[in-house]
Amino acid sequence: GAVVSQHPSRVICKSGTSVKIECRSLDFQATTMFWYRQFPKQSLMLMATSNEGSKATYEQGVEKDKFLINHASLTLSTLTVTSAHPEDSSFYICSARPWRGPYGYTFGSGTRLTVV
Amino acid sequence: AQTVTQSQPEMSVQEAETVTLSCTYDTSESDYYLFWYKQPPSRQMILVIRQEAYKQQNATENRFSVNFQKAAKSFSLKISDSQLGDAAMYFCAYIPNYGGSQGNLIFGKGTKLSVKP
Repeated sequence: GAVVSQHPSRVICKSGTSVKIECRSLDFQATTMFWYRQFPKQSLMLMATSNEGSKATYEQGVEKDKFLINHASLTLSTLTVTSAHPEDSSFYICSARPWRGPYGYTFGSGTRLTVV
Repeated sequence: AQTVTQSQPEMSVQEAETVTLSCTYDTSESDYYLFWYKQPPSRQMILVIRQEAYKQQNATENRFSVNFQKAAKSFSLKISDSQLGDAAMYFCAYIPNYGGSQGNLIFGKGTKLSVKP
């Protein structure tokens, strides 16, 4: 149990277009989901915390208008990269916490975004 | 500020041998959780082991065990009988326990473990 599904796994888009990444909790409800960005050979950098039914909380330095987060249901959070640029190319990972209490975080399989 | 430090960017171990990965953290909190995550080449994050700060006993999961030194704020991971499938990036992570509040994990920079056949 406690599976997080993330799609797509890979996406290539042209500069200026928008890309949506989906993060679904398959067998549990997630009131909170987290979005990370990971550069090659580096650690995970928290971008934002997605809260069901309310606005996301963005980390300092993350552009809210570029990285739109929607958490419309207890099982789905989406990250939309708007007006993508080559520098947005990266690996994006979502995670959720199936149980109350600060343990048991489950991660999606990640999305490799390439902007050409 | 709460930080997690992994001082070994890369480590190497011979198959079947034992290796220890280091992690230190800085916090003023007394109640928190510590984790080791594994990220293989597939880049899927996998929980290896977790430790509750209030527990004195070191956590163990099969070939994986930790040495948790709360006073020293140290949390090392020992991998026994290393296998080729253990080759991966290993991240140490921390989260304070604010009575179950929905905080986020704080990660170290990671240690790349290579396993030699």
